Amino acid sequence: DAGITQSPRHKVTETGTPVTLRCHQTENHRYMYWYRQDPGHGLRLIHYSYGVKDTDKGEVSDGYSVSRSKTEDFLLTLESATSSQTSVYFCAITDGRVEQYFGPGTRLTVT
Amino acid sequence: DQQVKQNSPSLSVQEGRISILNCDYTNSMFDYFLWYKKYPAEGPTFLISISSIKDKNEDGRFTVFLNKSAKHLSLHIVPSQPGDSAVYFCAASDYYGGATNKLIFGTGTLLAVQP
Repeated sequence: DAGITQSPRHKVTETGTPVTLRCHQTENHRYMYWYRQDPGHGLRLIHYSYGVKDTDKGEVSDGYSVSRSKTEDFLLTLESATSSQTSVYFCAITDGRVEQYFGPGTRLTVT
Repeated sequence: DQQVKQNSPSLSVQEGRISILNCDYTNSMFDYFLWYKKYPAEGPTFLISISSIKDKNEDGRFTVFLNKSAKHLSLHIVPSQPGDSAVYFCAASDYYGGATNKLIFGTGTLLAVQP
């Protein structure tokens, strides 16, 4: 299994508060991705990174920002959480091959 | 606009029989297709893939078929086992034409294999 961890694994927060989710990898892979999974929508790409300090938007990036200051860490920030951001968030990595390898997920509830 | 579609939300089969999961896509630029399997409370795990230059790829009990003219792919599991019960996601990529390896996922099919 690819060495990917996500923290926290579960979080409950209130509307309007900032939230940061962390993805950490030990594989030294160049590419990292953040997805959200919602019923009826499958997995949708939020943001991705193709190197340190190199990031770009995905399909559903509104309300989210990311940062990657080290190869091993990719942070996803919700500046002001809303109830529509209640979801399960997955991080994925790849070394350039088409197959991406996923972390265990973070379940976020915004009340 | 859903570029990758899995029109069957769920499928139930008997143990030992064949499971066939279907996926359709609309973007003719897609040149690589993947299937992922997901158990509850876990991340998706890569199962099998196929390049657009092939029409079939086999790995043990799992076979993926690609019909480019119909923009359709399917995953066959033979024989099905209770441990195969999971959500299966189809994904597509403009891998050879793109630079960032982005995947577009379908909405998933929940497979239940009955003992």
